[in-house]
Amino acid sequence: QVQLVESGGGVVQPGGSLTLSCAASGFIFNNYGMHWVRQTPGKGLEWVAFIRNDGSNEYYADSVKGRFTISRDNSKNTVYLQMNSLRAEDTALYYCAKGGGPYGNYLIFDDWGQGTLVTVSS
Amino acid sequence: EIVLTQSPGTLSLSPGERATLSCRASQTVTWSEIAWYQQKPGQAPRLLMYGASHRAAGIPDRFSGSGSGTDFTLTISRLEPEDFAVYYCQKYGTSPPTAFGPGTKVDIK
Repeated sequence: QVQLVESGGGVVQPGGSLTLSCAASGFIFNNYGMHWVRQTPGKGLEWVAFIRNDGSNEYYADSVKGRFTISRDNSKNTVYLQMNSLRAEDTALYYCAKGGGPYGNYLIFDDWGQGTLVTVSS
Repeated sequence: EIVLTQSPGTLSLSPGERATLSCRASQTVTWSEIAWYQQKPGQAPRLLMYGASHRAAGIPDRFSGSGSGTDFTLTISRLEPEDFAVYYCQKYGTSPPTAFGPGTKVDIK
């Protein structure tokens, strides 16, 4: 079955950097685009970034554009989120999610990890 | 950019009752590109519905979705104990970004 396991979360000071990882198994990783989605009690669910199956294109939410970079290593079945210039409002539980599956649209999230918590605080 | 509004914020019902959850979009949603997710405490969201009315794999038929244009509905015909959760709608399209609604909590009356 599909497994997505996030890691790399933690406490970081404002302006700092952090890299999240998501290890995937149970499906042909290089056939699927991958997303990062974050969740906070105040703002709910917010899509963050997407990378195509072959890494050819990346898309970002306006709130993170220029600060976050999504990447993937298909040889390691892993997707990453490099987060720079972190702000208090980036504090959230970050999920990686698989896009599309059998549902015909890569913006439908058919499998999710359990999330990794990022706290930006001094 | 489309904004989704969900109502009510909280729905208090008893097991066996019918739940009707609303998702309203600020602009017309073409091709009924609305998905619904269920989230239980401490768990990730789970895909329930896509294309407004199509159940995802393994979702019981007590869940149904309907709607078009700007108004969409998720109905749970008879609530089971495991259905008490938060439900989110999502507007997707042919390219990012994608938006989620704020959620409706279904809790036990």
